Amino acid sequence: SQQGEEDPQALSIQEGENATMNCSYKTSINNLQWYRQNSGRGLVHLILIRSNEREKHSGRLRVTLDTSKKSSSLLITASRAADTASYFCAPMDTGRRALTFGSGTRLQVQP
Amino acid sequence: DAGVIQSPRHEVTEMGQEVTLRCKPISGHDYLFWYRQTMMRGLELLIYFNNNVPIDDSGMPEDRFSAKMPNASFSTLKIQPSEPRDSAVYFCASSFRTGERPQHFGDGTRLSIL
Repeated sequence: SQQGEEDPQALSIQEGENATMNCSYKTSINNLQWYRQNSGRGLVHLILIRSNEREKHSGRLRVTLDTSKKSSSLLITASRAADTASYFCAPMDTGRRALTFGSGTRLQVQP
Repeated sequence: DAGVIQSPRHEVTEMGQEVTLRCKPISGHDYLFWYRQTMMRGLELLIYFNNNVPIDDSGMPEDRFSAKMPNASFSTLKIQPSEPRDSAVYFCASSFRTGERPQHFGDGTRLSIL
């Protein structure tokens, strides 16, 4: 099954700094989605990037996709303490109609 | 609009007991997913439904696990008999046209089997 692997596993930064998380996957995808999970809560969808797109923005979020390298990155600019959460990428492969998640990146933003 | 609603939020029970987890998806969504999250295995897809019909149950760990969706607004995940290794957070999610739309997650049921 398709699975995204996030890197790094954990990231600690100061408020105001940028945070970059990376995701690698294995096979052809239809799209790739990023989710956030706050402690004790369910996952929340952040952004979806299609296989024919290279970059997408949403507020302070910037996602890139390189299908030749089978990788994606999520950039959070001007981070805030409220951005503290785990972040997951979820590739959607061309055949399967379900997402699979990696282990996530745990982001800690220090105030 | 109400999001995905799961109940109970917490469940503590003894090994061997039957456990039933419940989920109400977002109205109008035609896909429903059950996931399990543990520290060791991360977030695993157990089963998903399309229009109340199970499509892929390859993630269901054992015959002790079963899931039903009797109508578009309700699904259950049942474990019988429960074992300590079933302790995890179980999430339900729903979406419209899976793969092309985001999934909306409930806040999960934290299950502890003693």
